[in-house]
Formats: sequence, C-alpha cells, structure tokens
Amino acid sequence: DTGVSQDPRHKITKRGQNVTFRCDPISEHNRLYWYRQTLGQGPEFLTYFQNEAQLEKSRLLSDRFSAERPKGSFSTLEIQRTEQGDSAMYLCASSLLGVGYNEQFFGPGTRLTVL
Amino acid sequence: DQQVKQNSPSLSVQEGRISILNCDYTNSMFDYFLWYKKYPAEGPTFLISISSIKDKNEDGRFTVFLNKSAKHLSLHIVPSQPGDSAVYFCAARSTGTASKLTFGTGTRLQVTL
Repeated sequence: DTGVSQDPRHKITKRGQNVTFRCDPISEHNRLYWYRQTLGQGPEFLTYFQNEAQLEKSRLLSDRFSAERPKGSFSTLEIQRTEQGDSAMYLCASSLLGVGYNEQFFGPGTRLTVL
Repeated sequence: DQQVKQNSPSLSVQEGRISILNCDYTNSMFDYFLWYKKYPAEGPTFLISISSIKDKNEDGRFTVFLNKSAKHLSLHIVPSQPGDSAVYFCAARSTGTASKLTFGTGTRLQVTL
C-alpha cells in the first residue's frame, strides 16, 4: 500500500531554528496539498501544487514558510525562525486531477513542537 | 470566520445503534462535501462524499445527507461498531477554489459496548 508518507513524524526544535518537512504523495497523484492542524481544530489549508507549480497559498503561510515541489513528485515545507505558535501537526495530502471529485488522501502528518 | 461548523465536540453511542454526526456551513459557494475519519497519530482518512446536486449518498454502513436550503449535512453510521470510535471531520469545497478543503472542528465519536 503506497499511501502518502511524511518525514519526520515528530520534530522538536528550539525557537528560532529552521525546520524542513518532506511529503511523498501517492505516485500518480499530480496535486499535493499542505495543511496545518492545531489542537481542537480541523486541518487548515496552507498551500497546494499541481505538478511542480504552486497554485495557491493561504494567508496563514507567512514569509517564514516556503514550500517546494521541484520535480512534481515529493514536496518540502520549510519553516524559518520557528516560533512557539508554529507548534502544530503539519499534514500533507494528494489527489489526482481529473478523476472523480479529486478526493484528497492524507499522510500521517509531522508533529512539530517548538520549545 | 468558521465557514464549516460541527457544533457537537463529542458523541457517545452504544454499539449497534445509529450514530448521527452533524455539520453546518455558511458559504453558499460550497458544492462538494466530504467526511473524514481520524484516529490518534494518523492522518485523516476519506470516508464518504456528496455533491451538491444530490441529497443523499450511501456506502455500506455510512450515509451522508445534504440539505442545501438549510446548509446542513449529516453522516449516519448504522449499525455503529467500536472500531468507528474516532474523530470525524466534515469538509467542504467550493467551485471557485476546487482545490482547497475547508474543515470543521471535528466530532469525537465513542461507540460503547
């Protein structure tokens, strides 16, 4: 079963440090999404890619956040100068454009704790 | 501005009975709705969806009902099983932003023996 995978699963960092997360989507999926989930809330959309193009970014994605999908396959999400408010679960999802209603399939998430 | 609302943070149901989870939305541009189930330490898992052109969709024990005039949808699980115990998220998508899902805050379902 080759679902969406994310690495690392957990990350603890000190305030001010940079962190990078990786997402590997389902292999044939051309759309990739990043969401953030905080305690007691549902996932909130951050950004999405269609192939290698980043097509939409949420206002939640401050200048300290950057996402890439260089070859249209895996994606990375980098947070620079982390703040305690960045502590959350970062979820990646993928879907296949053109098939049905493009349900999104989620990975297990990366839990970030900023001390 | 919470466009998708799940007003019941938790629900407890006996095994074998029906579970009804509710969701309300405010954005009339939403045209597709999904339910996801989430276990601890896992990502959300897609469960069932419904397009705004329908009012009901069934998949095994799971049925989703959509009332567009009331901007309300519900997920029925019958019969409920202990393995259904999880957090359930309602999500919606609009025609204008066919990519982004807007989620509710979730309802924790506990199915008791």
